[in-house]
Amino acid sequence: GQQLNQSPQSMFIQEGEDVSMNCTSSSIFNTWLWYKQDPGEGPVLLIALYKAGELTSNGRLTAQFGITRKDSFLNISASIPSDVGIYFCAGQLTTSGTYKYIFGTGTRLKVLA
Amino acid sequence: GAVVSQHPSWVICKSGTSVKIECRSLDFQATTMFWYRQFPKQSLMLMATSNEGSKATYEQGVEKDKFLINHASLTLSTLTVTSAHPEDSSFYICSVLAVGNTIYFGEGSWLTVV
Repeated sequence: GQQLNQSPQSMFIQEGEDVSMNCTSSSIFNTWLWYKQDPGEGPVLLIALYKAGELTSNGRLTAQFGITRKDSFLNISASIPSDVGIYFCAGQLTTSGTYKYIFGTGTRLKVLA
Repeated sequence: GAVVSQHPSWVICKSGTSVKIECRSLDFQATTMFWYRQFPKQSLMLMATSNEGSKATYEQGVEKDKFLINHASLTLSTLTVTSAHPEDSSFYICSVLAVGNTIYFGEGSWLTVV
């Protein structure tokens, strides 16, 4: 199936550091979504982006919808141990009148106290 | 609180039997639900789009006769894995299309076929 290119694949950072990850695609998306998944659980929505250029924050998280509509990034400031998990981007497009969501390959974040 | 409830959380079944997984939208009516499969340390792979009152749309490579999807009401979609085999063992997750083009996920269901 289709997937987005997400980088980095994994990150080991010190507590308090900032984190940045991004997703790129050859497709144009109408909506970008960012999720966090803890082991053995379903993904939880962090941020939703709807317009090219849009910059949205949710606490220590900030995400932007790329101008070209083909990319998005997520920043986490002042990381804490509970930020550990897998972060996924998802792009939404409409094909033949139906909604489709394509997921990134995931970024595994580990925070060292 | 949870927006989407998935049941069971985990199930073990014998090879050759069928297993049904339920996905319920708790807070709103959902005309569209999605079913994903996730292997360890991998991303979510869309299996099918479930539309209330009509046939599901399956992704290329997903056997519709093996993975039966029923979306008979605006709050419930079910995925039945028929004649399960060990290679069907995986983490299955449903999601619900909500307002604003956002999707909310269930807790996931672990299937182990022995």
